[in-house]
Amino acid sequence: DTGVSQNPRHKITKRGQNVTFRCDPISEHNRLYWYRQTLGQGPEFLTYFQNEAQLEKSRLLSDRFSAERPKGSFSTLEIQRTEQGDSAMYLCASSRGYSPLHFGNGTRLTVT
Amino acid sequence: EDQVTQSPEALRLQEGESSSLNCSYTVSGLRGLFWYRQDPGKGPEFLFTLYSAGEEKEKERLKATLTKKESFLHITAPKPEDSATYLCAVGAQGGSEKLVFGKGTKLTVNP
Repeated sequence: DTGVSQNPRHKITKRGQNVTFRCDPISEHNRLYWYRQTLGQGPEFLTYFQNEAQLEKSRLLSDRFSAERPKGSFSTLEIQRTEQGDSAMYLCASSRGYSPLHFGNGTRLTVT
Repeated sequence: EDQVTQSPEALRLQEGESSSLNCSYTVSGLRGLFWYRQDPGKGPEFLFTLYSAGEEKEKERLKATLTKKESFLHITAPKPEDSATYLCAVGAQGGSEKLVFGKGTKLTVNP
């Protein structure tokens, strides 16, 4: 069990650019989640995959955000045309069945 | 709408000074209440899951309890390494997989 891995750890981008983050879940975990956390707040749910199927999306997830989980393994979260309000920590979590979520250490995005 | 409120926002304790953190929640059918610990720059680390009123879980100096409206995280004789932000989250019945988190309580334990 090597834990949930997220890359990159930090990303600085200019407003209007596209960014993509990667999450590698714990092996054999069939459920994968994306959350967003801003300073002083708790994590906010963005989306959920069971295997390769995206089964739930938050209303927070605007059309500029897209997530994929090809073949039910790693996942990517892409943000198009970034805005300053997108600056946050993006957290990935995984679980097997109904076991508790295991979080990665996140990707911190700064949009200048 | 499901909601979680944690208090206090911040708490400073001396080493060995026991205290409790509060998590009040409203949810349309509780699937589970979760406690996490988060260190600066890290992701949340799972501590406990509670499913029904009256349930209690313990781990080292931490004990979590649950009623129908709130949960408490009791810290007994804390040490400086217990300093962290403690997050509470609820999952609701009805098919949604999302957890709703509170803003957390930032705990500082001074030696």
